[in-house]
Amino acid sequence: NAGVTQTPKFRVLKTGQSMTLLCAQDMNHEYMYWYRQDPGMGLRLIHYSVGEGTTAKGEVPDGYNVSRLKKQNFLLGLESAAPSQTSVYFCASSYSNLVGIFGQGTRLTVV
Amino acid sequence: AQSVTQPDIHITVSEGASLELRCNYSYGATPYLFWYVQSPGQGLQLLLKYFSGDTLVQGIKGFEAEFKRSQSSFNLRKPSVHWSDAAEYFCAWGGGGNKLTFGTGTQLKVEL
Repeated sequence: NAGVTQTPKFRVLKTGQSMTLLCAQDMNHEYMYWYRQDPGMGLRLIHYSVGEGTTAKGEVPDGYNVSRLKKQNFLLGLESAAPSQTSVYFCASSYSNLVGIFGQGTRLTVV
Repeated sequence: AQSVTQPDIHITVSEGASLELRCNYSYGATPYLFWYVQSPGQGLQLLLKYFSGDTLVQGIKGFEAEFKRSQSSFNLRKPSVHWSDAAEYFCAWGGGGNKLTFGTGTQLKVEL
């Protein structure tokens, strides 16, 4: 099915560990985004990409890195996880009209 | 900085009653505005969007929203709520470099 797929769906990390979240879309969208969702704070943009090979910082980029080596994939990395990064992470993709198609989310717990 | 405000954190309505969820934005130019819905454990689904033109926009699932420039508002409405509408609703503003700014969400509970 066409859409945005996030892997993994759940993950528990120890403080200081690293991990990569993968977002894949099969709609040939140029724009891809990583958000985090925390209770009472809505969704906050971490990083985004306006095309293959490009990335840009969003509202809360610290502690995260991203890469967009292929148009269909957008990776979010945590080099040294902290408890403050416990959250639900959403990936989205869109054409230039801002209409984001969201993935199902990744629930990350850092202990 | 641009912001989106959803003043109601929780709203409870009876099934069959009408619904209005409030959204205010702070930005001078004509914005791109969106409403999304999130069911528990799911991602966000687009309900409707406003880019320009008719200020009353129709969306999926019987929802509509009205853009009022004078009030900087984009409130979401539904004339008759169904129990399956229970979810969290997010208003979003777009226009700052191809990215969306979200409100903090309104949790809707539907009483049977």
